[in-house]
Amino acid sequence: EIVLTQSPATLSLSPGERATLSCRASQSVRSYLAWYQQKPGQAPRLLIYDASNRATGIPARFSGSGSGTDFTLTISSLEPEDFAVYYCQQRSNWPPLFTFGPGTKVDIK
Amino acid sequence: QVQLVESGGGVVQPEKSLRLSCAASGFTFSSFGMHWVRQAPGKGLEWVAVISYDGSNKYYADSVKGRFTISRDNSKNTLYLQMNSLRAEDTAVYFCAKDPTALTGYYMDYWGQGTLVTVSS
Repeated sequence: EIVLTQSPATLSLSPGERATLSCRASQSVRSYLAWYQQKPGQAPRLLIYDASNRATGIPARFSGSGSGTDFTLTISSLEPEDFAVYYCQQRSNWPPLFTFGPGTKVDIK
Repeated sequence: QVQLVESGGGVVQPEKSLRLSCAASGFTFSSFGMHWVRQAPGKGLEWVAVISYDGSNKYYADSVKGRFTISRDNSKNTLYLQMNSLRAEDTAVYFCAKDPTALTGYYMDYWGQGTLVTVSS
């Protein structure tokens, strides 16, 4: 089973600052990694798929990078609506089982 | 626009059963795989199960295998999750989510708002 680790657990930043979130897989997931944003009381929203592709309607300030075991989600300049929890997610090759990382909370400093 | 609306949650006693539904609209439901994902109160996301576009392929998390069954009715644009032998640790908000492919892709592109299941005596 592939385990995803996210760091830091909490990131305290101010609006306008750059956020860098990390996701590490216990073994290679190639480029098959996704990122989601979740706000309190809401459903998760897909931000990035296949490590670096922005989902429909996602602002350009969100970007993803990495491959293999190390991945990064970058928010270039935090907007007030970006303060939320961010999860990474992968799918194992076979059988197709899905796992999420524990999440990184981005809160207002 | 894609809409996924879950229903069927509630309070249920341990060892009892419950069936969740997810009504889909805004896309060709019969062409895409579908998932259930859950989130215990104050915790992270846990994938539960996935079903292919025609219901012929189903995969489950180890934590629910043998107790939960995912199914779909393409004539009704509805996804189901039959949950048997419920345990306290199954208490969670259950989300349905759309797969971007017909079989099982690598992520979920649209999510419903969730329905809360509480297992308690």
